[in-house]
Amino acid sequence: EAQVTQNPRYLITVTGKKLTVTCSQNMNHEYMSWYRQDPGLGLRQIYYSMNVEVTDKGDVPEGYKVSRKEKRNFPLILESPSPNQTSLYFCASSLGSLGSLDRDKYNEQFFGPGTRLTVL
Amino acid sequence: TQLLEQSPQFLSIQEGENLTVYCNSSSVFSSLQWYRQEPGEGPVLLVTVVTGGEVKKLKRLTFQFGDARKDSSLHITAAQPGDTGLYLCAGEEAAGNKLTFGGGTRVLVKP
Repeated sequence: EAQVTQNPRYLITVTGKKLTVTCSQNMNHEYMSWYRQDPGLGLRQIYYSMNVEVTDKGDVPEGYKVSRKEKRNFPLILESPSPNQTSLYFCASSLGSLGSLDRDKYNEQFFGPGTRLTVL
Repeated sequence: TQLLEQSPQFLSIQEGENLTVYCNSSSVFSSLQWYRQEPGEGPVLLVTVVTGGEVKKLKRLTFQFGDARKDSSLHITAAQPGDTGLYLCAGEEAAGNKLTFGGGTRVLVKP
């Protein structure tokens, strides 16, 4: 089954304790990204990756790191979590980078089930 | 970063009624997507509109992209309880490689 998986689904941690949220897709997608979702603010992009070893900042990258060593995996790292990073996090992937000509095919974002993170 | 504003933020209607959700921006987008998100799940793509003035229909859902590619609407005819969810619009910036989401419209269809 084609899917994006995230782990863990739920996490409660304390300020300053490093954590990693994993994301994996089995669709051979080039483009992957991380979003956080907060009430009234919609989805805000944290980081994105157009391909292996190619990553770039989104709208809210402060306090986060990512890596793309393999095409299928795109972990999100919080080196020193703070309470303002309490949120619902989504990983997403798409076939090709946005801007491709066949937008219906390449542009569809497939989202993971989400990770609810609470930082105390 | 281009901004997308959705309205209304919340909509509660009775089964069988029609509803329209709006997505507006002062900026031009190359394409615009509509997603639906249910509790505990990630958003799922409903449709992508690319051409200014384009209208796409998906059963009881009608999506329209404004002529100037700055706005879009989602119209649901004869809404059903299964249409309940969070509807999100997302615009692809003209420069590409970035998708900007609106704040979402939470729709509740009561039986």
